Amino acid sequence: QVQLVESGGGVVQPGRSLRLSCVASGFALNGYGMHWVRQAPGKGLEWVAAISYDATNKYYIDSVKGRFTISRNNSEDTLFLQMNTLRPDDTAVYYCVRGGFGVIPERLDPWGQGALVTVSS
Amino acid sequence: EIVLTQSPATLSLSPGERATLSCRASQSISTYLAWYQQKPGQAPRLLIYDASNRATGIPARFSGSGSGTDFTLTISRLEPEDIAVYYCQQRSTFGGGTKVEIK
Repeated sequence: QVQLVESGGGVVQPGRSLRLSCVASGFALNGYGMHWVRQAPGKGLEWVAAISYDATNKYYIDSVKGRFTISRNNSEDTLFLQMNTLRPDDTAVYYCVRGGFGVIPERLDPWGQGALVTVSS
Repeated sequence: EIVLTQSPATLSLSPGERATLSCRASQSISTYLAWYQQKPGQAPRLLIYDASNRATGIPARFSGSGSGTDFTLTISRLEPEDIAVYYCQQRSTFGGGTKVEIK
């Protein structure tokens, strides 16, 4: 069964850091580009970051550039999102999503169950 | 940057009716469009990719069409379990979503 399971969400004060993890099962992570997509409470979907199958290419939405870092450990089938200098508008459910071979967000499937990140003092 | 505009914002239909959801791109995107279904409290699920190809396990009542700037997701006969928000997506851009309700 192809599955993605996120962990690491929680409540954090503005300016602090948090690291999300996503463990893949049922497929080999090293064959796919991977993405993080977020959804603020009651809002729509927003693509956040992408990483190619071999981690040589990484892309970010402008609002997180310089603050967030996407990485992966293919030997452990795990994707990460390091989030620094968090702001209240980063509050959202963060989904780990499998893409195609490269970094272009296409055929995003499957999605993890999501990890809630709340940035509040 | 491409903008995707979905309409209507909300669609209220009776079970068995046909649902037609629209997604319009601000410039031509060929057939590079996907549709996702998000049921309440759940993660999104891929329905359609490349404008008209059903993803694995998606019922045949879901179909996609269109190319260029105008795209349509059709649910041929609405089932109660189809209550959800539907999003279109092209690369890093998502539409604002259409909420499908049962009348």
